[in-house]
Amino acid sequence: EDKVVQSPLSLVVHEGDTVTLNCSYEVTNFRSLLWYKQEKKAPTFLFMLTSSGIEKKSGRLSSILDKKELSSILNITATQTGDSAIYLCAVLSNFGNEKLTFGTGTRLTIIP
Amino acid sequence: NAGVTQTPKFQVLKTGQSMTLQCAQDMNHEYMSWYRQDPGMGLRLIHYSVGAGITDQGEVPNGYNVSRSTTEDFPLRLLSAAPSQTSVYFCASSSIPDPYEQYFGPGTRLTVT
Repeated sequence: EDKVVQSPLSLVVHEGDTVTLNCSYEVTNFRSLLWYKQEKKAPTFLFMLTSSGIEKKSGRLSSILDKKELSSILNITATQTGDSAIYLCAVLSNFGNEKLTFGTGTRLTIIP
Repeated sequence: NAGVTQTPKFQVLKTGQSMTLQCAQDMNHEYMSWYRQDPGMGLRLIHYSVGAGITDQGEVPNGYNVSRSTTEDFPLRLLSAAPSQTSVYFCASSSIPDPYEQYFGPGTRLTVT
């Protein structure tokens, strides 16, 4: 059974801190790993990672995949209160019958 | 574009009742899916469709039916609601062959008493 595990489950930091969120996975026929941000409602897409060692960056957010360790990290630098959200990691697997398996998420709270 | 729309936003059912959650998208996406999100469980795939007339089961299909008669619509039917189906339901769509950048609807919060 495919599995995606995120840690920590929740994190509270002060504005300006840097945070690292972790995602590990066990899936068959791995295709790619995705990060989503979920605020009040529906998740919104952040990154898709397919190749190991190549960092994806968007502003203060960055992410990298380690296919040897079956894991990924999401870094957020100089955190702001608007970064408070649940961050979801998902793994896309299979070819022709694609399946997206989600982790439980990390709830990040930024204190002003 | 409205994107992905879901109705209703909230629903309370009694055990044994049936209902249909509606999902529609106006982006001409081939791939549509339904997820449920429970505390501590993340998002779990219920059913998905790769095009009109084609549906398949996801991780937790029991108690739910779907059909896809048009590209735009992908309704989810609860046949006989149970308290275990209390959850938040998200519909999502994306274009094939890249079902990764899924666009999610706003969700339906369902409570079964």
